Amino acid sequence: GAVVSQHPSWVICKSGTSVKIECRSLDFQATTMFWYRQFPKQSLMLMATSNEGSKATYEQGVEKDKFLINHASLTLSTLTVTSAHPEDSSFYICSVLRDRSKTQYFGPGTRLLVL
Amino acid sequence: RKEVEQDPGPFNVPEGATVAFNCTYSNSASQSFFWYRQDCRKEPKLLMSVYSSGNEDGRFTAQLNRASQYISLLIRDSKLSDSATYLCVVEITYKYIFGTGTRLKVLA
Repeated sequence: GAVVSQHPSWVICKSGTSVKIECRSLDFQATTMFWYRQFPKQSLMLMATSNEGSKATYEQGVEKDKFLINHASLTLSTLTVTSAHPEDSSFYICSVLRDRSKTQYFGPGTRLLVL
Repeated sequence: RKEVEQDPGPFNVPEGATVAFNCTYSNSASQSFFWYRQDCRKEPKLLMSVYSSGNEDGRFTAQLNRASQYISLLIRDSKLSDSATYLCVVEITYKYIFGTGTRLKVLA
C-alpha cells in the first residue's frame, strides 16, 4: 500500500493565488520530509528539507518566503506556494525519509498549473 | 563535472534482452546509493538500494564500485513493463542527489 499521500493531486489556479499542498506519511513517523520540483523532461530538484518542529532548510535559489513549509507533526508537512505565477507551474513531489535505511519514499505528486 | 551523472538514453532494447546502466558520482564521501524507477508523469518508486557486496532482486542486479565511483543496474529478460526512466540517487549525510535518469524502452 501507499506509504506517502499527497493532496491535492492536481491544481489549476489563477496567477496570484496561494496553493497549499499536503504531504502525509502513512506508515511511519517522519522527522524528515523533502520537497522536490520537477519540470518536464528534467530530473527532480530538491527545494527544501522539512524537519518536524523546526524551520525548513531551503536549497540555494529557492525563496523561503515564496515556498512556505510547515512540518507541524511527525506525519504531516505542507508546502504553500504563495502568490503563484505561471513559472511556478510544475510537478511538486514530497518524500519521507525512513531514517534507519536512509530510504526515501515519494508521494504521488501534485501537478500545479498556474494560468 | 556533475555530482551524479547518467547516460540519458534512450536505450531501446527488444523484449528478453539484458540491459545495463551505469551511474557515476563525484563525491567519494557518498554513503548510500539507490536506484529508483520513474514512469511518465508519476513519482519515483524505489527499485533497490545498492550495497557494496552487490544485491539482486529477481531480474534486477545492482552493483557498487567505490574505487571507481560508479553504480550499475542490470536488468535481465527485459519486459515491456520495464520501460521507464531509471534514476540513480546518491546520499551524503542525508543530502540526496539525483541523476537526470536513463530512459529505457523495451520493444515488442
